[in-house]
Amino acid sequence: ETGVTQSPTHLIKTRGQQVTLRCSSQSGHNTVSWYQQALGQGPQFIFQYYREEENGRGNFPPRFSGLQFPNYSSELNVNALELDDSALFLCASSTRTGRTDTQYFGPGTRLTVL
Amino acid sequence: SQQGEEDPQALSIQEGENATMNCSYKTSINNLQWYRQNSGRGLVHLILIRSNEREKHSGRLRVTLDTSKKSSSLLITASRAADTASYFCATDYPYALNFGKGTSLLVTP
Repeated sequence: ETGVTQSPTHLIKTRGQQVTLRCSSQSGHNTVSWYQQALGQGPQFIFQYYREEENGRGNFPPRFSGLQFPNYSSELNVNALELDDSALFLCASSTRTGRTDTQYFGPGTRLTVL
Repeated sequence: SQQGEEDPQALSIQEGENATMNCSYKTSINNLQWYRQNSGRGLVHLILIRSNEREKHSGRLRVTLDTSKKSSSLLITASRAADTASYFCATDYPYALNFGKGTSLLVTP
């Protein structure tokens, strides 16, 4: 167990709706990264937050947005859901010490878009 | 796009045998990490190897890195049924990780 928690565990939405996923980082960590993992694929980097600022973004459209709070927990928001958004969403926390740190992953949120 | 590519995509062995997975990547790196994922759940960090290291061990795991060939390998010795999982290599991407598609390992009793 990494100490990173995510909620909810599972979620079912319909196309066009909006969704908010939550992540609590491991104690002492100031950085949260979000990844999307489609079935049979590796995780794809969405964005990262460091001390409440977005600090890097992957190839995802603006309808994917996020927040990081003063306690370093984070939210991922997805607007105008599409069928292809169905995936496992993973958050990972870390402590910024260098270029890329070991990341500690939560159990994920399984999103199904109908 | 995914930088790392693991090979093979799937591997089936018996308990006690060794499992070897390979990873190739495209651009220069500072470090390379290996993660394990059980049944579509969260990823567990296994080992990190820096670009100036050639080999690293952790318990039953042995990782090698050849930066001239842009490749890495993960060896699991004396495998157990509990090692059944997907294994991913991840290269550093500024401040985040760039994962391959993974190798699915099945260890049968």
